[in-house]
Amino acid sequence: RKEVEQDPGPFNVPEGATVAFNCTYSNSASQSFFWYRQDCRKEPKLLMSVYSSGNEDGRFTAQLNRASQYISLLIRDSKLSDSATYLCAVIRGGSQGNLIFGKGTKLSVKP
Amino acid sequence: DAGVIQSPRHEVTEMGQEVTLRCKPISGHDYLFWYRQTMMRGLELLIYFNNNVPIDDSGMPEDRFSAKMPNASFSTLKIQPSEPRDSAVYFCASSLLRLAANTGELFFGEGSRLTVL
Repeated sequence: RKEVEQDPGPFNVPEGATVAFNCTYSNSASQSFFWYRQDCRKEPKLLMSVYSSGNEDGRFTAQLNRASQYISLLIRDSKLSDSATYLCAVIRGGSQGNLIFGKGTKLSVKP
Repeated sequence: DAGVIQSPRHEVTEMGQEVTLRCKPISGHDYLFWYRQTMMRGLELLIYFNNNVPIDDSGMPEDRFSAKMPNASFSTLKIQPSEPRDSAVYFCASSLLRLAANTGELFFGEGSRLTVL
């Protein structure tokens, strides 16, 4: 089992739709969680951190479920510009610097 | 401010040739990471440095790969000899302070796209 797993998609949604992605992690000692966004043929960029209590940034909501070992990202009122690949990332338990990424979920928002 | 700078942006080489990828991290960042991205395997951590010292190289696929960081402003990833299965995008990233203690934000370079024929 891979350390961080995501549904690769693609998720094809119309503008204005709400879409949610999940990401599961296998190491229960993992402590820090993040969502990155990667545009086609570009580098990944941090979208948001995921806090234990859940957190929101505009149209984006991130949640953590430690019991089931998954994190989620919810995008409301999706825009064409949200089309990208969304990577979840986890700091490997017991390490200080090992940021492990999932393979990403591709989102395509259509007019 | 300049971000992470990688070179070359694109390289096409033949199997067996030596490949050297270069990275200049953001000034003042004390962590530097090398990742490799392919469709099949996603974004894989190869090695990372803290204050120029390699901390974890367990992701380096085999002895053909080596990485160095002779000073705080420069790192290289070398593949010798290269093989077609090394074809990928290689990203360098840098970070300030311990990831666990900050936002978890890595600043990635634009990547070096390597094709080995």
